[in-house]
Amino acid sequence: DVKVTQSSRYLVKRTGEKVFLECVQDMDHENMFWYRQDPGLGLRLIYFSYDVKMKEKGDIPEGYSVSREKKERFSLILESASTNQTSMYLCASSSGADQPQHFGDGTRLSIL
Amino acid sequence: QKEVEQNSGPLSVPEGAIASLNCTYSDRGSQSFFWYRQYSGKSPELIMFIYSNGDKEDGRFTAQLNKASQYVSLLIRDSQPSDSATYLCAVTGGSYIPTFGRGTSLIVHP
Repeated sequence: DVKVTQSSRYLVKRTGEKVFLECVQDMDHENMFWYRQDPGLGLRLIYFSYDVKMKEKGDIPEGYSVSREKKERFSLILESASTNQTSMYLCASSSGADQPQHFGDGTRLSIL
Repeated sequence: QKEVEQNSGPLSVPEGAIASLNCTYSDRGSQSFFWYRQYSGKSPELIMFIYSNGDKEDGRFTAQLNKASQYVSLLIRDSQPSDSATYLCAVTGGSYIPTFGRGTSLIVHP
């Protein structure tokens, strides 16, 4: 079974802090994704990566950056956290185009 | 803009009934179709995927795809209270990025 592991289930940070969310997958998947999910808004894609050191902006990249130095790890960075970034963050991976995504357990991030 | 539409619900069905969840999509070039189940506070988990027109069955679940009409549906037979969740439809068209619907909330009452 594919395992996607997110570093924290719950995280509380202060406004202005730099926040790192880590995601690791163990199935040698090419593609990795970061989403945020808010009530009534569904899943919104922040960034995705289709290869090491490659990244593409999703629908809502503002205020975020990503890093993929190794194939199995995809990090999401909040450069200067703001209260409107309080959300559930979901990492996913897939083996290729048109393949299903496998999600991590999610990180519920609160910015105070 | 590729769109995937789902009725937000809630869809309420009695235990033992068939639950029918529907999804329409705008991109005629779509090739792959996925159904995910998401319990409250949890992450989405894949239930089924379908690539070809017609029906695909897996236990109590059946996915139905009609590309001409641009819809995909999920039928849950013998619905159980444990099936109560939000069901997300996702569609891809050959790119790396799926388009997700906002989900339909299903409530199965005893």
